[in-house]
Amino acid sequence: QQQVKQSPQSLIVQKGGISIINCAYENTAFDYFPWYQQFPGKGPALLIAIRPDVSEKKEGRFTISFNKSAKQFSLHIMDSQPGDSATYFCAASMNTGFQKLVFGTGTRLLVSP
Amino acid sequence: GAGVSQTPSNKVTEKGKYVELRCDPISGHTALYWYRQSLGQGPEFLIYFQGTGAADDSGLPNDRFFAVRPEGSVSTLKIQRTERGDSAVYLCASSLRRTGVFRNEQFFGPGTRLTVL
Repeated sequence: QQQVKQSPQSLIVQKGGISIINCAYENTAFDYFPWYQQFPGKGPALLIAIRPDVSEKKEGRFTISFNKSAKQFSLHIMDSQPGDSATYFCAASMNTGFQKLVFGTGTRLLVSP
Repeated sequence: GAGVSQTPSNKVTEKGKYVELRCDPISGHTALYWYRQSLGQGPEFLIYFQGTGAADDSGLPNDRFFAVRPEGSVSTLKIQRTERGDSAVYLCASSLRRTGVFRNEQFFGPGTRLTVL
């Protein structure tokens, strides 16, 4: 059962453009939605996260938009740079006393120079 | 500072063999997680330790998989009678367990790439 669906599978964006990655979830008990960035040969690293009581969170060039009624959230990367080329995973977790992350399938982003 | 380390970085074994994968968490992190990442997929939760005890092992696929954390620091994931379908990257993550914080960030290691021939 795939609880977090992510699209697109891959994305090519020109330098300076906006990268948009979308995720949808099914379980309404989820209450924490992080995005992770993973470079080849490395483990995922937390990029930005949001709680469902806010509709948007911005950190530098990275913004999460959250739509609770639609059970969707998205990552926007403004002014995309070649160094942003990586695989991005959305994830979700619920309050169970610890953070059991449920990940999407990932989006491979390539920012062309 | 030192992050989460995992050894070996790569492990090639034959079907039916036993393997052990090691995780050294960040010093002071009491929470430790194991995930499995198959090719082209996101990480999937396997097991969570709080201290020495496995608080949730609901993600272990079957009884061939077992993990320990005897002193509440280093953890070992053990796989018996390996199968080709066990081939994946096994990721370890650790975090603090601070009260009053909405979520404690998980810090991931680079993973162990397991290949079962």
